[in-house]
Amino acid sequence: EDKVVQSPLSLVVHEGDTVTLNCSYEVTNFRSLLWYKQEKKAPTFLFMLTSSGIEKKSGRLSSILDKKELFSILNITATQTGDSAVYLCAVGNAGGTSYGKLTFGQGTILTVHP
Amino acid sequence: EADIYQTPRYLVIGTGKKITLECSQTMGHDKMYWYQQDPGMELHLIHYSYGVNSTEKGDLSSESTVSRIRTEHFPLTLESARPSHTSQYLCASSDLGNTIYFGEGSWLTVV
Repeated sequence: EDKVVQSPLSLVVHEGDTVTLNCSYEVTNFRSLLWYKQEKKAPTFLFMLTSSGIEKKSGRLSSILDKKELFSILNITATQTGDSAVYLCAVGNAGGTSYGKLTFGQGTILTVHP
Repeated sequence: EADIYQTPRYLVIGTGKKITLECSQTMGHDKMYWYQQDPGMELHLIHYSYGVNSTEKGDLSSESTVSRIRTEHFPLTLESARPSHTSQYLCASSDLGNTIYFGEGSWLTVV
């Protein structure tokens, strides 16, 4: 059974701090790892990672994948109150009837105080 | 921004009623999904479809049913709603890769 574990489960920081969110996984036929941000409504897409060691960056957010150690990190620098959300990690596998399905972690709740 | 729409966004209904949650996408994606998420909990896949006339049960058992008669449309139906069905239902679709785009969700409360 595919498994995705995120840590920490919750994190409280102050504006300006840098945070690192972790995601480890066990999945057969790994295809990709995705990060989503979920506020009060549905998750919104942040990054998709398929190759090890290549950092993806969008503004203050960046993410990298290590396929050997089976984990990914999501970094947020100079955090703002608007970064407060649940961050979801999901892993997709390839091949067979599971193609295109994602397994989600339980999420990390990030709270940024002013 | 992905074009995937869900209606209704919020619904409060009585026990025993039949309800259908609508989901439409305009991206031409073959793959569509329904996830269920209780507040503060993980997303669980309850149904998915790889194309017209293709539907499969997901990882979490659900009493709901789905249909896929048209590529763009993937409705979810509960024949007889119960309080245990109270949850958020998220529809999603994906492109040729694994990037899944979500609708805004339908919050269902059964009283």
